[in-house]
Amino acid sequence: QSALTQPASVSGSPGQSITISCTGTSSDVGGYNYVSWYQHHPGKAPKLMIYDVSKRPSGVSNRFSGSKSGNTASLTISGLQAEDEADYYCSSYTSSTTWVFGGGTKLTVL
Amino acid sequence: QVQLVESGGGVVQPGGSLRLSCAASGFTFSSYGMHWVRQAPGKGLEWVALIRYDGGNKYYADSVKGRFTISRDNSKNTLYLQMNSLRAEDTAVYYCAKDQHDTSGNFDYWGQGTLGTVSS
Repeated sequence: QSALTQPASVSGSPGQSITISCTGTSSDVGGYNYVSWYQHHPGKAPKLMIYDVSKRPSGVSNRFSGSKSGNTASLTISGLQAEDEADYYCSSYTSSTTWVFGGGTKLTVL
Repeated sequence: QVQLVESGGGVVQPGGSLRLSCAASGFTFSSYGMHWVRQAPGKGLEWVALIRYDGGNKYYADSVKGRFTISRDNSKNTLYLQMNSLRAEDTAVYYCAKDQHDTSGNFDYWGQGTLGTVSS
């Protein structure tokens, strides 16, 4: 159960778009359409932003979108806002009913 | 509204035990799978365990298998994590998280977490 690979940090200016990648293997990201993304402001409870690769829960802004190609999933945030600054984690189902997270990406809004 | 409140964290020596609890409210607890997820200091999130809605099936990460036990009491709307044979690397904030369904692995609500520290 090795962690999925995410960039340690990304940054962007308000109004810009950024993309965070999440790379796994054919045993997790590539093998199932069960990738989810979480926003985590330190000290607070994580928040589900995207599930099943590209679905948005009710209440999540449509500035957040997800996609997948092969063993790599991506989270795109458009129209960056100051409140988007947070840590972002991807998660994927793996075999035997277990899940694996990515190492996390710190998003800085410049 | 959905609320998940963890408790039971503290400091324990290596080899010791801790029992975490998660009190749930605002939803029909007995209809959903529940997970524990942890975050070691300065590290990322790590999935720990899942228990199905009726407690009939339980699943664990390899890192805790044989040492941790997840359980639930649907009459008390409470989730538990019994942690035995604790190691320094188990030091983490432990979050309980509600599954969007039963075993979807989409964690749609989380608690604020409770810190468990393993240190001599």
